[in-house]
Amino acid sequence: QLVLTQSPSASASLGASVKLTCSLSGGLSNYAIAWHQQLPEKGPRFLMKLNSDGSHNKGDGIPDRFSGSSSGAERYLTISSLQSEDEADYYCQTWGTGLWVFGGGTKLTVL
Amino acid sequence: QVHLVESGGGVVQPGRSLRLSCAASGFPFGRYAMFWVRQSPGKGLEWVALISYGGTTKYYTDSVQGRFTLSRDNSNNMLYLQMDSLRAEDTAVYYCARDREQGDYYGDVGYWGQGTLVAVSS
Repeated sequence: QLVLTQSPSASASLGASVKLTCSLSGGLSNYAIAWHQQLPEKGPRFLMKLNSDGSHNKGDGIPDRFSGSSSGAERYLTISSLQSEDEADYYCQTWGTGLWVFGGGTKLTVL
Repeated sequence: QVHLVESGGGVVQPGRSLRLSCAASGFPFGRYAMFWVRQSPGKGLEWVALISYGGTTKYYTDSVQGRFTLSRDNSNNMLYLQMDSLRAEDTAVYYCARDREQGDYYGDVGYWGQGTLVAVSS
């Protein structure tokens, strides 16, 4: 079963770094995921595809402040030098044969 | 620059039908699989359906199987979602989205539209 688990909320201070986590359900530690950002009242935006080995492909114009990493069944999105415009919902996504799944999303608050 | 613009949303009574459209530009539309993804008010993202670049392969989430039908017109760079027998739980913003890579990739969403709101209410 394809399930992605994210913490509902996270917060960090302006200028600091934050690491968001997306957990793949058991036995899926080799799956790639994607990270998407959704600003308030906007459509989502693709940030990056993140592979199980930590390599990633970023979307167009995504700043270097956004990076991804992997460890086992955990996938991470790190945002450094937080800015106020980073306050958004962040979703992870994965896929299998004929099935695409999103995590529940993490609401990031920049303090 | 990839551009996806949805239209066709609105208020509709339960049991009725609605057709959503998505106009695509800025990329070779006929080479990419396309998604519909929805978001109920205050909730997260939910994958609804995918259609292959040629239109011959279609996948649907269980809750819409048999009620929603995907189609595409590669000559005019258009994607459609025919929604029949609508239910209150279909109320959501519907996003048109593009597969990140062309061909039979069927993976992560690479580009998103801005969405169109469908409200099913009596």
